[in-house]
Amino acid sequence: ELKVEQNPLFLSMQEGKNYTIYCNYSTTSDRLYWYRQDPGKSLESLFVLLSNGAVKQEGRLMASLDTKARLSTLHITAAVHDLSATYFCAVDMYRDSNYQLIWGAGTKLIIKP
Amino acid sequence: NAGVTQTPKFQVLKTGQSMTLQCAQDMNHEYMSWYRQDPGMGLRLIHYSVGAGITDQGEVPNGYNVSRSTTEDFPLRLLSAAPSQTSVYFCASSYRPGAEKIDYGYTFGSGTRLTVV
Repeated sequence: ELKVEQNPLFLSMQEGKNYTIYCNYSTTSDRLYWYRQDPGKSLESLFVLLSNGAVKQEGRLMASLDTKARLSTLHITAAVHDLSATYFCAVDMYRDSNYQLIWGAGTKLIIKP
Repeated sequence: NAGVTQTPKFQVLKTGQSMTLQCAQDMNHEYMSWYRQDPGMGLRLIHYSVGAGITDQGEVPNGYNVSRSTTEDFPLRLLSAAPSQTSVYFCASSYRPGAEKIDYGYTFGSGTRLTVV
């Protein structure tokens, strides 16, 4: 079964703290995406990870990919309130002769001042 | 550059009615797809297309039809709306997965919030 699991699904944290969101997936893939979604809004691309060992950073967010462990992490450093949102990971999986994007359930992140 | 344009933004339907959700992109992307997003869940793939004239089913295709007559447009049709189709629908496009430019990722439309009563 093609499955993408995120944890935690909900995270409430204080400003200034560090935390990591985990994304596990069930089958071989070397393309993983992180998106951010604000309430009532569309999805905003954060990172595209295309190979084993890929690491990308943008501001206080850093994403990494380990294709052998089928694991990606999204690390938040010194969190600020503006990072409050729901974060999704998604994986391109090859099925039925084509690639399909399979999504995790999302991690709702609340950062308190 | 408009990106991915979805219309309408909101729609209320009665059970049994039909409608078409429109999606257009101006980035010359080969790959287009439709997802639905329900509370507490990630997006689920309804249908996708790898190019004009080619469509295929995703995870949850029942009750929906699609067509791809041009590279730019990928409409989603609800033939006979049911309350279970109440959801937020997103259209997305990208370069063909596996192609050289895929590192640009997927671009999403603004979404259509559909309620079926």
